[in-house]
Amino acid sequence: QVQLQESGPGLVKPSETLSVTCTISGALLTDYYWNWIRQAPGKGLEWIGYIWHSGNTYYNPSFKGRVSMSIDTSRSQVSLKMISVTAADTAVYYCARQEVEVRVAVSGTTPGQLDLWGHGTLVTVSS
Amino acid sequence: VVLTQTPLSLPVTPGEPASIFCRSSHSLLDPDDGNTYLDWYLQKPGQSPQVLIYTLSHRASGVPDRISASGSGTDFTLKISRVEAEDVGVYYCMQRKKFPCTFGQGTRVEV
Repeated sequence: QVQLQESGPGLVKPSETLSVTCTISGALLTDYYWNWIRQAPGKGLEWIGYIWHSGNTYYNPSFKGRVSMSIDTSRSQVSLKMISVTAADTAVYYCARQEVEVRVAVSGTTPGQLDLWGHGTLVTVSS
Repeated sequence: VVLTQTPLSLPVTPGEPASIFCRSSHSLLDPDDGNTYLDWYLQKPGQSPQVLIYTLSHRASGVPDRISASGSGTDFTLKISRVEAEDVGVYYCMQRKKFPCTFGQGTRVEV
């Protein structure tokens, strides 16, 4: 049974760096995109970005270069770092596995459905 | 790409049908492969989201066939033919035609 488990600091001070990790069990990290999505308290979902097992990434430009992701296949972990945090970054941070979808007509692939999500970790930004 | 869901709140009656709508600011139809990259997710109370529908109308594994979805390039509908108590939660549409992926605001379904 595949499981994703996020872990984080719980509390981060404004202007500091937020670091959260997702540990994957029961599956290899290859052949999937690994996404980070967040949800501010009482709000909707916001996509942060993804990392491919090769280390290639795509970050949401709305984060203005504050975000970076890494992957450690030997430890089955993906990590998210966000610098210069403010109270607006207070949220539950989810990691989610994304399948590779085959584009038959063009003999290509594209990131597919987010088929497996962790339970999320709440990070509060406060002094 | 901006996704606008309606309604934002939907009271439902068990056994009755229900529909949720999602409108996109841009077409989500890929002219090269003919696919429409719009997914639907359900976040049940106290849980993380789960995929219901991917690529416009494909039901995800384990999703009952009373849940279906359809649409054009910019207008999409999620239908529940007979609402059950387990269907309560917040439904989100999400597009991945043009990155960054974006979500609709969510539709809260409650009995």
